[in-house]
Amino acid sequence: AQKVTQAQTEISVVEKEDVTLDCVYETRDTTYYLFWYKQPPSGELVFLIRRNSFDEQNEISGRYSWNFQKSTSSFNFTITASQVVDSAVYFCALTDSGTYKYIFGTGTRLKVLA
Amino acid sequence: ETGVTQSPTHLIKTRGQQVTLRCSSQSGHNTVSWYQQALGQGPQFIFQYYREEENGRGNFPPRFSGLQFPNYSSELNVNALELDDSALYLCASSLNSPRLNEKLFFGSGTQLSVL
Repeated sequence: AQKVTQAQTEISVVEKEDVTLDCVYETRDTTYYLFWYKQPPSGELVFLIRRNSFDEQNEISGRYSWNFQKSTSSFNFTITASQVVDSAVYFCALTDSGTYKYIFGTGTRLKVLA
Repeated sequence: ETGVTQSPTHLIKTRGQQVTLRCSSQSGHNTVSWYQQALGQGPQFIFQYYREEENGRGNFPPRFSGLQFPNYSSELNVNALELDDSALYLCASSLNSPRLNEKLFFGSGTQLSVL
């Protein structure tokens, strides 16, 4: 069965600190897609990144970077020099090959303190 | 701004009632999905529509039903409401077929409270 685990329920950091959000997934598919979404207090999930199982290159986008490691089934997300505006709940998700539904983790609430 | 709008934003119902939640996707988005997000949890897949046909369903009972319309709007209907149905209901759309595993554009959700 497919599953996404985000073991960190809540993380608090002080502004300008670096923070890494962990994501571990389980799937029997050889082709799959992984995502990260941000959910601010407004409620809507905002897309951050999509990665397919054949592309293990790490990606950097501004202060955000992602580390995809198939060997450990992990897709971790790092925010460098965190800012108060980064405060939100972050979800990691995996798509199911049969139904194409998203399987979300339980989310990590990030609080960045000024 | 994702271009996906949901209405109403908040709703209070009593157990046993029926409710209809509405979503307006971005123009041209052929796939719409509905998710239920309980407090402190990740979104759970309810069902998905592609070009007005149901294209997948999660572990939700038949009293959860939906429709997708040609004008890129959709609705989620829930009959015989139960207390556990209290949650944030999210609508999400994507441009093409679900088989492409594209990113989803989410609305801000409808917060449903069942008393």
